[in-house]
Amino acid sequence: GNSVTQMEGPVTLSEEAFLTINCTYTATGYPSLFWYVQYPGEGLQLLLKATKADDKGSNKGFEATYRKETTSFHLEKGSVQVSDSAVYFCALSTNAGKSTFGDGTTLTVKP
Amino acid sequence: GAGVSQTPSNKVTEKGKYVELRCDPISGHTALYWYRQSLGQGPEFLIYFQGTGAADDSGLPNDRFFAVRPEGSVSTLKIQRTERGDSAVYLCASSMGGNSPLHFGNGTRLTVT
Repeated sequence: GNSVTQMEGPVTLSEEAFLTINCTYTATGYPSLFWYVQYPGEGLQLLLKATKADDKGSNKGFEATYRKETTSFHLEKGSVQVSDSAVYFCALSTNAGKSTFGDGTTLTVKP
Repeated sequence: GAGVSQTPSNKVTEKGKYVELRCDPISGHTALYWYRQSLGQGPEFLIYFQGTGAADDSGLPNDRFFAVRPEGSVSTLKIQRTERGDSAVYLCASSMGGNSPLHFGNGTRLTVT
């Protein structure tokens, strides 16, 4: 079956630090890959996506590149802000419809 | 426009009781999903509707869980004879189907005492 493995947290960084959250996946077929974010007190929302190998998804300064050879979709941001503090979920979706999620990584950014 | 709406936001029930959780998806979204999220874990798939029919119910843990979407819009997740292990946040999401991103509601926090 499909699975997603995320870097374990929590992650604590100072403002303006570089962020990487690792994500690797196992899937049959050719999945689309996603990062979702859950800010405190809010629901899950899409952060970025990539639908095929070598695609780069980007949004709000975050980036992730679909690497088929390493089955990875690592999330990066060059300079984090306090407002980026949230829980980040890596996910994949196949044409079968349902999405499979990782267990989430909690990021805390300190001023 | 309006997002995915879930009601109630919180539900406390006694072990053995029956509960219904409601989801109102984004208008025009054909696909609707139910997930369950326990503390410290990612959302766990329960069931997926395409239109009125359940396209994949492989995530329902047992026959105490059932979901319907009779008119292809609002969906209800029904749990019979609740157990303490059913306590979790139940998330609903909708999408345009296929590999389209999911749009989540804020969830219903179910506590079984």
